[in-house]
Amino acid sequence: DAKTTQPTSMDCAEGRAANLPCNHSTISGNEYVYWYRQIHSQGPQYIIHGLKNNETNEMASLIITEDRKSSTLILPHATLRDTAVYYCIVRVGGFGNEKLTFGTGTRLTIIP
Amino acid sequence: EPEVTQTPSHQVTQMGQEVILRCVPISNHLYFYWYRQILGQKVEFLVSFYNNEISEKSEIFDDQFSVERPDGSNFTLKIRSTKLEDSAMYFCASSPLMGRPYEQYFGPGTRLTVT
Repeated sequence: DAKTTQPTSMDCAEGRAANLPCNHSTISGNEYVYWYRQIHSQGPQYIIHGLKNNETNEMASLIITEDRKSSTLILPHATLRDTAVYYCIVRVGGFGNEKLTFGTGTRLTIIP
Repeated sequence: EPEVTQTPSHQVTQMGQEVILRCVPISNHLYFYWYRQILGQKVEFLVSFYNNEISEKSEIFDDQFSVERPDGSNFTLKIRSTKLEDSAMYFCASSPLMGRPYEQYFGPGTRLTVT
């Protein structure tokens, strides 16, 4: 699996959009970009994933650059409950049986 | 919404003892996983399990570890002779075959403390 680079930490004001960047310059054509988060030692939680098109769901939006070497997770209206470590993961395929390889992620703190 | 459950939430054991961590995956899921997270470190993959056999295991998953699906609902991780360095949060996860197979649903974890 390709490696990812994320900032160690970020702050965002409550109610504002939180934009979390991720670099994955060695991503292969068959690798997807996944985002998970972990709230204070709870189990990781799936947020969103994409291959090359931008994606949106009820939790977030994922913007992938045209060359697929980087992406941005957007939480449109951050709340205090969004304080967590966010992991950007690239892995082959879109199926359930491949392992997830977690990095150190970005610690996002939402400021009241 | 269905969820993965894990028991116990916290297990304290003495070095050299055997422990069994239990997980109940979401009922229609077919892929099962164990991960662990040592305090302050990354979440690490241990093993994946499908169709009653191990699909993949990491270097961490040595002969001290085993997994089992003893019945239609439980998925267990056994550590035969615990070591101090086995102290960690252990997370079980499951994912479906159909529907949204790209999501792994994680349980709340079991905190294992080896003294």
